[in-house]
Amino acid sequence: GIQVEQSPPDLILQEGANSTLRCNFSDSVNNLQWFHQNPWGQLINLFYIPSGTKQNGRLSATTVATERYSLLYISSSQTTDSGVYFCAAHGDNYGQNFVFGPGTRLSVLP
Amino acid sequence: DAGITQSPRHKVTETGTPVTLRCHQTENHRYMYWYRQDPGHGLRLIHYSYGVKDTDKGEVSDGYSVSRSKTEDFLLTLESATSSQTSVYFCAISEQGKSAEAFFGQGTRLTVV
Repeated sequence: GIQVEQSPPDLILQEGANSTLRCNFSDSVNNLQWFHQNPWGQLINLFYIPSGTKQNGRLSATTVATERYSLLYISSSQTTDSGVYFCAAHGDNYGQNFVFGPGTRLSVLP
Repeated sequence: DAGITQSPRHKVTETGTPVTLRCHQTENHRYMYWYRQDPGHGLRLIHYSYGVKDTDKGEVSDGYSVSRSKTEDFLLTLESATSSQTSVYFCAISEQGKSAEAFFGQGTRLTVV
């Protein structure tokens, strides 16, 4: 099945800093999503982005499907951005499932 | 927010007892999924359903069964709970399966003692 990798595994930022999180996937995809898991464990949808670029406030994401990677940009980080960021991908081939990467744990310090 | 309700939200049970977790949706989405989340393993797919009475296995299906008798409900059953099934369980839904956005419930924390 499809493999999903994320980097870096951990990231510590000072409030106000910018960051880029990366997601690599091993096969062509129908679906690529970014989630934020907050400290209470809730999975929050950030972007549905199988290709192209999207922006939502201080967050933006870009997926280059032909090169099999996606990037999540966080600008002017806030303490409420802390948590774990997951990307998940659904492979294009028959029988593949929606697979999560291991996550990037982000800590934003005041 | 997507209309997904998981119940119970927390449960402690003893080894060897049966346990059923429920996922209820109000979105009329065709696809429903059960994942478990464990430290060091991320989220892994247990079972999924692509319609009423249509289910299939995921990556970590051993020890679990599922049923979907109505579009809105997807049940996950641990026939005889073991300590290795202590985990946080998430239900997800999507309208069209692999090409559609997936939405997750709040999760159920299950502890098997």
